[in-house]
Amino acid sequence: AQSVTQLGSHVSVSEGALVLLRCNYSSSVPPYLFWYVQYPNQGLQLLLKYTSAATLVKGINGFEAEFKKSETSFHLTKPSAHMSDAAEYFCAVSDQSFNKFYFGSGTKLNVKP
Amino acid sequence: DAGVTQSPTHLIKTRGQQVTLRCSPKSGHDTVSWYQQALGQGPQFIFQYYEEEERQRGNFPDRFSGHQFPNYSSELNVNALLLGDSALYLCASNQKGLMNTEAFFGQGTRLTVV
Repeated sequence: AQSVTQLGSHVSVSEGALVLLRCNYSSSVPPYLFWYVQYPNQGLQLLLKYTSAATLVKGINGFEAEFKKSETSFHLTKPSAHMSDAAEYFCAVSDQSFNKFYFGSGTKLNVKP
Repeated sequence: DAGVTQSPTHLIKTRGQQVTLRCSPKSGHDTVSWYQQALGQGPQFIFQYYEEEERQRGNFPDRFSGHQFPNYSSELNVNALLLGDSALYLCASNQKGLMNTEAFFGQGTRLTVV
């Protein structure tokens, strides 16, 4: 069985501050892990993915995430927040065939000027 | 490459009616999955189609059915609509059997049941 827990439904940071969005996963098989971003009234855009290569994954728009097996975590970070980062972020896990994604409940990121 | 395309973008239906949503996968992809995203929640897996057959199904009632055509496009049908079926319906496509291929999501269809 696979599942994802995102801690914090809302996160607020100031522009230029560090962004940290938390994700913990549960998986009975080696997981593939993903972070997606969703802007209002739009679909999902892939930020980055972990597919058992390097544990530190770099994505688009300056985001990165680190896979920590011992902590079953895949937290998303960005050193300096930009106003355009305000959106909802979803962590997801799948098996290695991309057959089915299990999503977390999402974290809404607010960036204050 | 147009990516995954879904139609219509928005739809309003009355409780009890039936609805059909459509999805065209990304070029080269042969597998289509459907997800329901209720307001304030993450997407939930409905089912997956490959080789014109339903291969996996999530925890959704039989009112939710689908179809995949020989050109890999897919339809999601929902019968006897309930107010609770109001959601964003997302389609995702990928190439089955190939490791490390990415799944792509469409922009979704926003269904409102009144």
